[in-house]
Amino acid sequence: DTGVSQDPRHKITKRGQNVTFRCDPISEHNRLYWYRQTLGQGPEFLTYFQNEAQLEKSRLLSDRFSAERPKGSFSTLEIQRTEQGDSAMYLCASSRGGTGVENEQYFGPGTRLTVT
Amino acid sequence: SQQGEEDPQALSIQEGENATMNCSYKTSINNLQWYRQNSGRGLVHLILIRSNEREKHSGRLRVTLDTSKKSSSLLITASRAADTASYFCAPNTNAGKSTFGDGTTLTVKP
Repeated sequence: DTGVSQDPRHKITKRGQNVTFRCDPISEHNRLYWYRQTLGQGPEFLTYFQNEAQLEKSRLLSDRFSAERPKGSFSTLEIQRTEQGDSAMYLCASSRGGTGVENEQYFGPGTRLTVT
Repeated sequence: SQQGEEDPQALSIQEGENATMNCSYKTSINNLQWYRQNSGRGLVHLILIRSNEREKHSGRLRVTLDTSKKSSSLLITASRAADTASYFCAPNTNAGKSTFGDGTTLTVKP
């Protein structure tokens, strides 16, 4: 399977714990995006990378959130001191970058986080 | 913000009928993309239309774009029960990130 993969698919954690999610993009894609989605709403942009550089972070991304893409391939999203409001589906997407068809984003299946 | 807003919020039709969903946005864009999401799953890219294009087809899908009105529409012809899903539009600027609205939930009854 050469699509975007995410791990884990589900995570249940207690409030105050730290969690880390991983995303493996399509191999030739140099852009990688993180989104968060809650029930009944569309995905909200969190951050994106061009290769290993983090180019933009949403104001939604508080200091408790950090994302990395150390070698320009896979990415991790860490949430420290989780809160119940962090419960959501975390989606990763990748694209070749640029405009036109190169900008098509391919999404992974998501990681569903439940904070109890 | 270039966030897309889909209309209607919900649409229910019979199998075989056509479904039309609309999207409005506020700023200039490079392109606009449509996605489908089945319940509890990730998003699937359907079609991308560039700002200099007015209409695009892909199978049973037809997308139009009117940049003067800052609006787009997605038409699904001869709908099937398997088309039941949420549909999102995502206007894009140079950065390439997608800014989604809350989608249109389509239900196709067999």
